[in-house]
Amino acid sequence: SQKIEQNSEALNIQEGKTATLTCNYTNYSPAYLQWYRQDPGRGPVFLLLIRENEKEKRKERLKVTFDTTLKQSLFHITASQPADSATYLCALDANNAGNMLTFGGGTRLMVKP
Amino acid sequence: KAGVTQTPRYLIKTRGQQVTLSCSPISGHRSVSWYQQTPGQGLQFLFEYFSETQRNKGNFPGRFSGRQFSNSRSEMNVSTLELGDSALYLCASSPGPASTDTQYFGPGTRLTVL
Repeated sequence: SQKIEQNSEALNIQEGKTATLTCNYTNYSPAYLQWYRQDPGRGPVFLLLIRENEKEKRKERLKVTFDTTLKQSLFHITASQPADSATYLCALDANNAGNMLTFGGGTRLMVKP
Repeated sequence: KAGVTQTPRYLIKTRGQQVTLSCSPISGHRSVSWYQQTPGQGLQFLFEYFSETQRNKGNFPGRFSGRQFSNSRSEMNVSTLELGDSALYLCASSPGPASTDTQYFGPGTRLTVL
């Protein structure tokens, strides 16, 4: 069956360290993968998109990698800050036909000062 | 530009009733997608509309329906509400149906079914 898995346990790290979140998928062949941030009671906010032919994408303190062989994406936040505390969701194009995003369960990140 | 707006923000209904939720996309966006978010199931795709046509539908019963108007505004309807329909319903818009379009989410409608 098709699955997108993110670590359901919260990730606690110290301010200034690099946070690394994992997204694994099975039985999908996505053309792209997206990462979103969601704060409690609010809708997800788009962060980064990486295509299947891209190995790495960067935006300010954020970096995403995409390994289609391992079927895995890693999301890194460098020099993390308490304001980065949120739930981070990965999503992929489930049927290569349009805006049908399938989301992982999300990982809650807690950055402690 | 104004963001995606959803109304109402909060709603309380009882079992068996029906409900209609509204979504106004970002100006110029023609695609609207709907998602249901619950603690147990996470974010699940309901359906997507582009230019008033339903392009994709998720694995939800026929009680869940939607439509899109010529101004791209969209509504979703849930009939014969069940307790399990309690959730945050999120709407997202994007400029077009291309698979690499960023989706912009609204704040959601929190539906509670008693």
